[in-house]
Amino acid sequence: DAKTTQPNSMESNEEEPVHLPCNHSTISGTDYIHWYRQLPSQGPEYVIHGLTSNVNNRMASLAIAEDRKSSTLILHRATLRDAAVYYCIPTEGGIQGAQKLVFGQGTRLTINP
Amino acid sequence: NAGVTQTPKFRVLKTGQSMTLLCAQDMNHEYMYWYRQDPGMGLRLIHYSVGEGTTAKGEVPDGYNVSRLKKQNFLLGLESAAPSQTSVYFCASRASGRIGLFFGEGSRLTVL
Repeated sequence: DAKTTQPNSMESNEEEPVHLPCNHSTISGTDYIHWYRQLPSQGPEYVIHGLTSNVNNRMASLAIAEDRKSSTLILHRATLRDAAVYYCIPTEGGIQGAQKLVFGQGTRLTINP
Repeated sequence: NAGVTQTPKFRVLKTGQSMTLLCAQDMNHEYMYWYRQDPGMGLRLIHYSVGEGTTAKGEVPDGYNVSRLKKQNFLLGLESAAPSQTSVYFCASRASGRIGLFFGEGSRLTVL
């Protein structure tokens, strides 16, 4: 499994963009990059995933480096509700990949009013 | 739409007691998972199921058993609870062909 490196914590201000980095230098060519977040006292919540191209959805954008050794989750306009622990998880796609989601310690994001 | 529901949400056990955590999903998902999360740590996969009547071991299966007799339910059992099993347990489900997992709100278990 690819190892990931994420900052332990980050801080940002409300209504400003947030860029959450993740290094996954040992990622294999077929691994997808998944992002989940966990709000306080709740279960994790799926955010976004991608393989090679940048991806956008209603929650966030995912920018993947050309060599795929790193990626950045972008919250375009942070709200207080975005305060959570964010997990970056490279894993295979499909059935096998979903079974191998390994949640590391993630990045704890604090949003200041 | 309830999504993924876990019961009970809180439970205190004495060492050696047994209990069952129930996970129910109303989204007709094929795949279901049980994770545990210890303080300050990420989630670790205990067991999972790829369909009714099937189960498989995850990363930390020892001390737990599971059953998936009905598609919508995934039960996690502790036959003889130990203090090391004090944790927050999360159930998740996933639709066939989709990537994202849907998680329940968690069940906090304390073993004295």
